[in-house]
Amino acid sequence: DIVMTQSPDSLAVSLGERATINCKSSQSVFFSSNNKNYLAWYQQKPGQPPKLLIYWASTRESGVPDRFSGGGSGTDFTLTISGLQAEDVAVYFCQQFYIVPPTFGQGTKVEIK
Amino acid sequence: QVTLKESGPALVKPTETLTLTCTVSGFSLNDTGMSVSWIRQPPGKALEWLAHIFSNDEKSYSSSLKSRLTISKDTSKSQVVLSVTDMDPVDTATYFCALYGAYGWFDSWGQGTLVTVSS
Repeated sequence: DIVMTQSPDSLAVSLGERATINCKSSQSVFFSSNNKNYLAWYQQKPGQPPKLLIYWASTRESGVPDRFSGGGSGTDFTLTISGLQAEDVAVYFCQQFYIVPPTFGQGTKVEIK
Repeated sequence: QVTLKESGPALVKPTETLTLTCTVSGFSLNDTGMSVSWIRQPPGKALEWLAHIFSNDEKSYSSSLKSRLTISKDTSKSQVVLSVTDMDPVDTATYFCALYGAYGWFDSWGQGTLVTVSS
């Protein structure tokens, strides 16, 4: 199985500031034949299911604010929230879909400083 | 609009078998490329994929839990059923069903159902 490791486990950011979450996979999730990284990001608020934010490492799901952006390739990825809003307080997970089983990072909790 | 809804017991005893049902709407379980996964999340912990079933009835299971899991579907009822045998307190978790898209991300989720294993 591909192990996904996120860092940090939690971070506190002031409103309007940038939050950056890292995700590292134990093997590359880049598929050269289509030039895509098989990585997704989710947001989970308390008592709710995860919500898909980003797929193909950098493509925003429809309706997701453009302050959310994904980057990286191969084994190292980032989720950036540019201009943190109060409603962004949540736990964020990365997930690889390169091979079965799909695996998730342990989550990063984002709070307001 | 795609929706998924989990149902099942909130409490099971150790060694019992858990049976959960996911009822879907907005798509058919026979639609090509559509599959449904079960994913669980222990309180305060990470997400763990358990199993999924494809439109052609192909199934895939977590290797660590494979001996205890069975996934099936009833297309006429738009339902996907997951059975987990020999439940243990460590299996206490919120169990989600999710639409596993054609490429492998989960684009729609049910609200989840909390299952507690206790005598």
